[in-house]
Amino acid sequence: DGGITQSPKYLFRKEGQNVTLSCEQNLNHDAMYWYRQDPGQGLRLIYYSQIVNDFQKGDIAEGYSVSREKKESFPLTVTSAQKNPTAFYLCASSTRQVAGANVLTFGAGSRLTVL
Amino acid sequence: DQQVKQNSPSLSVQEGRISILNCDYTNSMFDYFLWYKKYPAEGPTFLISISSIKDKNEDGRFTVFLNKSAKHLSLHIVPSQPGDSAVYFCAARGIQGAQKLVFGQGTRLTINP
Repeated sequence: DGGITQSPKYLFRKEGQNVTLSCEQNLNHDAMYWYRQDPGQGLRLIYYSQIVNDFQKGDIAEGYSVSREKKESFPLTVTSAQKNPTAFYLCASSTRQVAGANVLTFGAGSRLTVL
Repeated sequence: DQQVKQNSPSLSVQEGRISILNCDYTNSMFDYFLWYKKYPAEGPTFLISISSIKDKNEDGRFTVFLNKSAKHLSLHIVPSQPGDSAVYFCAARGIQGAQKLVFGQGTRLTINP
């Protein structure tokens, strides 16, 4: 079955540590995204990538970094510079289309808790 | 600056009745609007979309209405079923940022038996 796999599902981190969240897709989608969900704030875009070896900052990129070395993979690193990293992180992918609705397919999410 | 707003954090509806979820937006450059449904500890799943050149789109029990002059859209679910209990997110796509979606805060819908 095609889909998006995020790991780990749950992650605990001590303050000052960097952590990397994995996102892999086998949908052959060109574009990939990272969103963050906080209670009462909906989904906010962290980073997105439309093609391999290229990515752009979203609305809340500070304290995060990404890489896109392979089409299938878009890992997110939450650095110690992120002031409030405890959240639910969602990875998504889509085809690169301009016409028509840009339907994102989401993974199941990773919950990060900073202790 | 919240460009997409869902002002009702929660909604409770009797099974079999109509559920109406609302969404307001501020950016007139949005060209597509989408609704996503999310269960706890899962990723959102796409439900239905509408182009800004239309005012209605229907898919089974789900209908989305768009009022461009009011910058308002709504999702109607008829009849509501227990499995519809979830958080519903409204999302919008801007023309210039064609690959990005802006999401509202979500509305938690509870269908009571």
